[in-house]
Amino acid sequence: GDSVTQMEGPVTLSEEAFLTINCTYTATGYPSLFWYVQYPGEGLQLLLKATKADDKGSNKGFEATYRKETTSFHLEKGSVQVSDSAVYFCALTSGSRLTFGEGTQLTVNP
Amino acid sequence: SQTIHQWPATLVQPVGSPLSLECTVEGTSNPNLYWYRQAAGRGLQLLFYSVGIGQISSEVPQNLSASRPQDRQFILSSKKLLLSDSGFYLCAWSVLSTTGELFFGEGSRLTVL
Repeated sequence: GDSVTQMEGPVTLSEEAFLTINCTYTATGYPSLFWYVQYPGEGLQLLLKATKADDKGSNKGFEATYRKETTSFHLEKGSVQVSDSAVYFCALTSGSRLTFGEGTQLTVNP
Repeated sequence: SQTIHQWPATLVQPVGSPLSLECTVEGTSNPNLYWYRQAAGRGLQLLFYSVGIGQISSEVPQNLSASRPQDRQFILSSKKLLLSDSGFYLCAWSVLSTTGELFFGEGSRLTVL
């Protein structure tokens, strides 16, 4: 079945550092890929998405590129802020079901 | 615009007591509806999903059940809670036209003592 593997956390960075959170997937067919973010005590929000190979999703300074050859969708940000502290989930959809990774806790210190 | 409401936000229940969490969606018709559970420090586990009224698919065998009495209403229930039912429960909705993107409620934190 479909699965998503995320880089294990927690990740702790200083403000303005470069961020990479790795995500690889296994799926039949051609899934759409997503990054969701969960701020403390809240539900999940869509951060960005890509629906086909080589698409780049971007939002709030975050980027991720759909790499079919490496089955990856790594999340990057050039300069993180304290307000980016949250849990980040990589996910894929095939049909009406969304499969999530385990989540990566990011803490950004001032 | 579409909105999703989930309640109660916080619940503390004794072992063996019943549970009812409710979720409603506004501003869309015939959505797919989902219940997820997030245990402390862990990822999201899909519990139930529904593609229409009265149509419920269960992903994990357990003492929880779900019902969809109306198009935009999704209820998570239990007759007798277990300690292991503690967690953060998230309702979500989607429509196929959005390429599978889910929209989540604010969550309900359940503590079973």
